[in-house]
Amino acid sequence: ILNVEQSPQSLHVQEGDSTNFTCSFPSSNFYALHWYRWETAKSPEALFVMTLNGDEKKKGRISATLNTKEGYSYLYIKGSQPEDSATYLCALAVGTSYGKLTFGQGTILTVHP
Amino acid sequence: EAGVTQFPSHSVIEKGQTVTLRCDPISGHDNLYWYRRVMGKEIKFLLHFVKESKQDESGMPNNRFLAERTGGTYSTLKVQPAELEDSGVYFCASSQRTSGRITYEQYFGPGTRLTVT
Repeated sequence: ILNVEQSPQSLHVQEGDSTNFTCSFPSSNFYALHWYRWETAKSPEALFVMTLNGDEKKKGRISATLNTKEGYSYLYIKGSQPEDSATYLCALAVGTSYGKLTFGQGTILTVHP
Repeated sequence: EAGVTQFPSHSVIEKGQTVTLRCDPISGHDNLYWYRRVMGKEIKFLLHFVKESKQDESGMPNNRFLAERTGGTYSTLKVQPAELEDSGVYFCASSQRTSGRITYEQYFGPGTRLTVT
């Protein structure tokens, strides 16, 4: 059974703060790591798909890094805004079944104005 | 381009009844996935279609769940008979056809919230 862990479970920050969260996963048979942003009652929004060790991806104020050898990925948000408040999910795909994503429980981010 | 759509958005049924959920993927996406999130838990994989074929149904909880994708377009997920523990949010996602080792994003629908009473 794959275990994808996200930390912290929840995070409260002030507008303008920069923040980061962690996704940890087993490094064996790695295929891809997906990051999603999810607001309740809406569709989870795909942020990044990362496949190569050392990958760094950026979309606006959000960026992510990947270390497949040690089994972790970091998501960074620079200058948090209230509209960044959401649950951030990571999901792992392994080589034997690339379409099946195993999700972590998510990090709930609340940005206070 | 329309995103992944799901119907209904909410469904409340009694234990023992039947419910059918529908998913319309993004046009042209060969891959279609069903996931489920039970209250307080992580989103869990149910199954994966490539066109009309079931590629992986390892996450289907039991034989009360039946997924179909006739014609390789929309998909339905039927729960019969529903039990209390089936309550949760059922997500559908789709992605482009696979090409070598290229990995595509899975685009999610907003989910169907199922409540079994």
